[in-house]
Amino acid sequence: GAVVSQHPSWVICKSGTSVKIECRSLDFQATTMFWYRQFPKQSLMLMATSNEGSKATYEQGVEKDKFLINHASLTLSTLTVTSAHPEDSSFYICSANIPGTGRGSYEQYFGPGTRLTVT
Amino acid sequence: GQNIDQPTEMTATEGAIVQINCTYQTSGFNGLFWYQQHAGEAPTFLSYNVLDGLEEKGRFSSFLSRSKGYSYLLLKELQMKDSASYLCAVLDSNYQLIWGAGTKLIIKP
Repeated sequence: GAVVSQHPSWVICKSGTSVKIECRSLDFQATTMFWYRQFPKQSLMLMATSNEGSKATYEQGVEKDKFLINHASLTLSTLTVTSAHPEDSSFYICSANIPGTGRGSYEQYFGPGTRLTVT
Repeated sequence: GQNIDQPTEMTATEGAIVQINCTYQTSGFNGLFWYQQHAGEAPTFLSYNVLDGLEEKGRFSSFLSRSKGYSYLLLKELQMKDSASYLCAVLDSNYQLIWGAGTKLIIKP
């Protein structure tokens, strides 16, 4: 149980275009999803917390107009990188936790990640 | 501020034992997670400690001392597939996960 999928797994786009990444919880309903970015040889950096039906909460330094997050349903959150630039090239990972109590409600289940390359 | 420290890189031999340390200073504490991340893949859950002591799970064990702000992950009978980064993460008083930078573990034959 607790499977999270991401699509696409990798994408190459031209500078100035927009890219949408989907994150789905396959066998549970995720009221909260998290979006991370990871540069090579660095740790996870939380970009934003996405709550179903409300606006995402962005971490300091993350441009909300550039990284658009939509959490329209309990099983789907999307991250759109608008007007992508080469410096946006990174590994983007989403995660979700299972609502409830105890460790399970805080343990994050990760999607397989999306590798974005902007040329 | 909140801070989690882990060694950047460690090297060990196949079949041996290795201990990866993690020290933390956070605003509150609601548990500590260890995750494993192979290169180019997403992290996978290894362990969760919220009370002091040792939790054993097969070849992997995790220890916590809340008074010392310290945890370690112990890997026994190392296998080549254990080569990965190991991430320590603390759940703070707001139930937000604070991530360490990760420890890259290199296993040599």
